[in-house]
Amino acid sequence: GAVVSQHPSRVICKSGTSVKIECRSLDFQATTMFWYRQFPKQSLMLMATSNEGSKATYEQGVEKDKFLINHASLTLSTLTVTSAHPEDSSFYICSASVDPMMNEQYFGPGTRLTVT
Amino acid sequence: AQSVTQPDIHITVSEGASLELRCNYSYGATPYLFWYVQSPGQGLQLLLKYFSGDTLVQGIKGFEAEFKRSQSSFNLRKPSVHWSDAAEYFCAVDVFMDTGRRALTFGSGTRLQVQP
Repeated sequence: GAVVSQHPSRVICKSGTSVKIECRSLDFQATTMFWYRQFPKQSLMLMATSNEGSKATYEQGVEKDKFLINHASLTLSTLTVTSAHPEDSSFYICSASVDPMMNEQYFGPGTRLTVT
Repeated sequence: AQSVTQPDIHITVSEGASLELRCNYSYGATPYLFWYVQSPGQGLQLLLKYFSGDTLVQGIKGFEAEFKRSQSSFNLRKPSVHWSDAAEYFCAVDVFMDTGRRALTFGSGTRLQVQP
């Protein structure tokens, strides 16, 4: 149980275009999903917290107009990188909270974004 | 500010040897504590968690961790390492952010290499 999927696993796009990444909880309902960014050989940095039916809460320094997050259902959250630039290239990982009281999170397999 | 420290960036052990990965946290109260493992290019898999109660917790793949309040530590152990354990290991703490929300704060990770 507690499986989280991400799609696509890998994407290459040109500068200036937008890319959408999907995060799905496959066998449970997640009222809260999280989006992280991971640079090579570094730890995860929380970008934003996504709650179903409400606006996402972004961490300091994360541009909400650039990283659009939508959590339209209890099993799906999307991250759209708008007007992507090479510096947006990174590994993006989502997670879904199984138990909000304990903040027990299960992670997706990640999406490798390369902007050329 | 809350923080998680993994003092060992890289550890190499021989297959069959015992393993201990260190994790220290800085937080006013006793937080919820987690260990995750990440294989290259993959998401994170939850190994074990501590919320309360018995300070020695058992996880998957033969891992265990001990919470020591007096040392603010949550070290991960395994009595006999297998070659498949080679991966990146992250300690995480569930804390309240400055925004008042809860989030996971990750340590910088420890890369484990296993020698035959």
